[in-house]
Amino acid sequence: DAKTTQPTSMDCAEGRAANLPCNHSTISGNEYVYWYRQIHSQGPQYIIHGLKNNETNEMASLIITEDRKSSTLILPHATLRDTAVYYCIVKKEYGNKLVFGAGTILRVKS
Amino acid sequence: NAGVTQTPKFRILKIGQSMTLQCTQDMNHNYMYWYRQDPGMGLKLIYYSVGAGITDKGEVPNGYNVSRSTTEDFPLRLELAAPSQTSVYFCASQTVDTQYFGPGTRLTVL
Repeated sequence: DAKTTQPTSMDCAEGRAANLPCNHSTISGNEYVYWYRQIHSQGPQYIIHGLKNNETNEMASLIITEDRKSSTLILPHATLRDTAVYYCIVKKEYGNKLVFGAGTILRVKS
Repeated sequence: NAGVTQTPKFRILKIGQSMTLQCTQDMNHNYMYWYRQDPGMGLKLIYYSVGAGITDKGEVPNGYNVSRSTTEDFPLRLELAAPSQTSVYFCASQTVDTQYFGPGTRLTVL
C-alpha cells in the first residue's frame, strides 16, 4: 500500500471549513484514499473514501486531484467536536489492512 | 446493533501475569482485527482474522495470541505480560470497505 504524508497539526476556527491535505504520490491505480478520525481516547471512526472522483457524505467531502497524488478532506463547518486526529490511508478497497501513520491533529477553536 | 464491544475497559496487570482481552461484534463481519496504540502514536496491527478458524499475524504479533472460533468473537491473549505491552488495544471488524472500531481497552503492566 502507498504511503501518505500529512501535516502534523492544524488549527481551524469554529464554523469555518477545515481543509486537511494529504500527499500520496506513490498511489497505484487500484488503491483508494480513506479518511478516518480518532477523537481523544476513542476508537477510530470512518469518515469517507474515494478512488478518483470527488466524494461527499454527511460528514465530509473528499477532493482527489486529477493525478491522484494528493487529496483534501473538507469538513464544511467545523465544530469543537471535530477536534481529533485525522488519518489519511491509502489501500486497495478489498485489501484487508489499514496502515495508520501519525495523522494530523486538528484543533477547532472557538 | 451494539457494533464492536470490548471488555474490560481498563486493566492493570503485574509483570508475568496473563489475561484475555475480549472482542465481540454483532454485524456478522468476517474480517476482524486487533490493534495497539501507544501514547502519541498511530495504531499498529497485532493480528487479524478473515473468518472463523483463520488468523494471521500483523505488524507486531510478538507476545500475543488470538483465536477465532466463531464469527462474533475474536479474543486477544497476553501470556506473560511485560511493561512494553502497556498500551490501548482496539478491536475492529470490517465490511467490504469500512472498519468499525470498538471503544478500546486501556492496559497497564507494572
